[in-house]
Amino acid sequence: DAGVIQSPRHEVTEMGQEVTLRCKPISGHNSLFWYRQTMMRGLELLIYFNNNVPIDDSGMPEDRFSAKMPNASFSTLKIQPSEPRDSAVYFCASRGGAQVLAGELFFGEGSRLTVL
Amino acid sequence: EDKVVQSPLSLVVHEGDTVTLNCSYEVTNFRSLLWYKQEKKAPTFLFMLTSSGIEKKSGRLSSILDKKELFSILNITATQTGDSAIYLCAVGNSGYALNFGKGTSLLVTP
Repeated sequence: DAGVIQSPRHEVTEMGQEVTLRCKPISGHNSLFWYRQTMMRGLELLIYFNNNVPIDDSGMPEDRFSAKMPNASFSTLKIQPSEPRDSAVYFCASRGGAQVLAGELFFGEGSRLTVL
Repeated sequence: EDKVVQSPLSLVVHEGDTVTLNCSYEVTNFRSLLWYKQEKKAPTFLFMLTSSGIEKKSGRLSSILDKKELFSILNITATQTGDSAIYLCAVGNSGYALNFGKGTSLLVTP
């Protein structure tokens, strides 16, 4: 199994630019999560999907952030316009249907975003 | 609002020492507590605990949950430099997501 695949692994951009992060969950997993990790705040949940439907986006910082899951094998997290305070590592994680609620999440390698 | 608090925030020990990492939580409709290890990349799963008093063990690592006092500990015996990492505690409730603590950064020196 290839695991959760994220791209790009590193992104450096300038303030005001649009950033798109991508995620391919583990095949057969029906829940997908986007987390953001910083030194100050740790791992914060941004949004999660179940069966491609957004369930809770209350963690999305503001309207500059948006996420989509057009099908079971692909999700995007978009920041437009980006700001320096968005600099963080963004993790995507998935969970299979066989695992009950609140069970193990499988994480991707993360996308490290630096906004100058 | 759900809370997960880990202590200490950081720890430096010598190889061979035993360490205990703590995780306390306040969460409605508790379902599970999970421990992850993060070494500069993706968090990797260690344990999931759902019942009080039942120790989970894997090699030199072990963990136990106390649902009455709302905490868990992660023990690492005979530490090695390869144990250096951030250890994350996460709690799941009746929803889908896990709520993570800020982690304990462990450094094991030779």
